[in-house]
Amino acid sequence: EAGVAQSPRYKIIEKRQSVAFWCNPISGHATLYWYQQILGQGPKLLIQFQNNGVVDDSQLPKDRFSAERLKGVDSTLKIQPAKLEDSAVYLCASSLAYGGTSYEQYFGPGTRLTVT
Amino acid sequence: RKEVEQDPGPFNVPEGATVAFNCTYSNSASQSFFWYRQDCRKEPKLLMSVYSSGNEDGRFTAQLNRASQYISLLIRDSKLSDSATYLCAVRSNFGNEKLTFGTGTRLTIIP
Repeated sequence: EAGVAQSPRYKIIEKRQSVAFWCNPISGHATLYWYQQILGQGPKLLIQFQNNGVVDDSQLPKDRFSAERLKGVDSTLKIQPAKLEDSAVYLCASSLAYGGTSYEQYFGPGTRLTVT
Repeated sequence: RKEVEQDPGPFNVPEGATVAFNCTYSNSASQSFFWYRQDCRKEPKLLMSVYSSGNEDGRFTAQLNRASQYISLLIRDSKLSDSATYLCAVRSNFGNEKLTFGTGTRLTIIP
């Protein structure tokens, strides 16, 4: 079974530039998550989708971050404009379903973003 | 107070020893608890879920103490391959799959 795919794996940009990350979840997984993991910290949820609807985006800095999941499959996360403090690994995860049952979240390899 | 707290370590433990980590959580309504393992520059992977009755998987034992609001992970007969960062994760709202992670505890097994 193919895992969660993410691209690019690495990205270096200058502050104030924009950047986009792509995620393809495991086939059939209805729920998709974007996490930000800053060095030395645990992953922090940015946004959670159930199919193509947003379930939780309470920790997404909406002035600069946006995400979409068209057609309930692939997702993109965008940062515009980037700040130095956005340097982190951006992890995408997916799980089979949502609500009532604890389904395992499977993580992709992440995109390592460096903002200079 | 952070929602989920862990001692970041590092823990440097000789091979074959037993090591234990604790993780405290602040929300008494938390429903589900997990231990993830994260290797250097890799993604987190689920190590084990933590059940109220405690659970064991080979050399790994997880315990939940709801009264004191902490979970623990015990690794017996540690191997070099156990070197990693161990993240605890808590799910607070029934039906909401949002996980809140601790900062992780870094473990190095020394030959």
